[in-house]
Amino acid sequence: KAGVTQTPRYLIKTRGQQVTLSCSPISGHRSVSWYQQTPGQGLQFLFEYFSETQRNKGNFPGRFSGRQFSNSRSEMNVSTLELGDSALYLCASSLEFRRKRNEQFFGPGTRLTVL
Amino acid sequence: AQSVSQHNHHVILSEAASLELGCNYSYGGTVNLFWYVQYPGQHLQLLLKYFSGDPLVKGIKGFEAEFIKSKFSFNLRKPSVQWSDTAEYFCAVNARDNTDKLIFGTGTRLQVFP
Repeated sequence: KAGVTQTPRYLIKTRGQQVTLSCSPISGHRSVSWYQQTPGQGLQFLFEYFSETQRNKGNFPGRFSGRQFSNSRSEMNVSTLELGDSALYLCASSLEFRRKRNEQFFGPGTRLTVL
Repeated sequence: AQSVSQHNHHVILSEAASLELGCNYSYGGTVNLFWYVQYPGQHLQLLLKYFSGDPLVKGIKGFEAEFIKSKFSFNLRKPSVQWSDTAEYFCAVNARDNTDKLIFGTGTRLQVFP
């Protein structure tokens, strides 16, 4: 079974631009979460999606948004990029939402560099 | 606010030494607990998990962890480390309320020398 895939793997943008990152969950998984990983802040929760609905959002500005499609694939978008948005963006998928024994499986991440 | 503390930021061991990494969390309700490992250049992998039942859980590669509810702790152990265990280890907690979000500790960088 293929794991979580994320595209692109690497991205370089300049301040003020916007970016869209894509995540394909493990086949059969219906819930997708996004995390930001930086050396200073560690791993921080961005948002989670299930049934095309955002279920929860972390403490990030409105420039960070996302969506989920009917096939469970998800995208996240960051508008008006800032230098501090440089990070590894991780996508994780799980079978369902709020399942008692839910495990999240992580993708390789998209490394975003903002110049 | 919920938080997870990993007290050891950087641990250096020789092969065959025993390992214990501390993890404490702050949340009074029911939790799911996880340890993830990130090998150099690789993505986060689940090492072991606790949902309920026996507080001593065994994971992959000889790792185990013990959930002590009274201490809000979920420490990771391995009796004898190998050079291939060199990696970053993250403790994570899911507060089983209305979300699946994981709250991560800051991570522990483990270096094992032959």
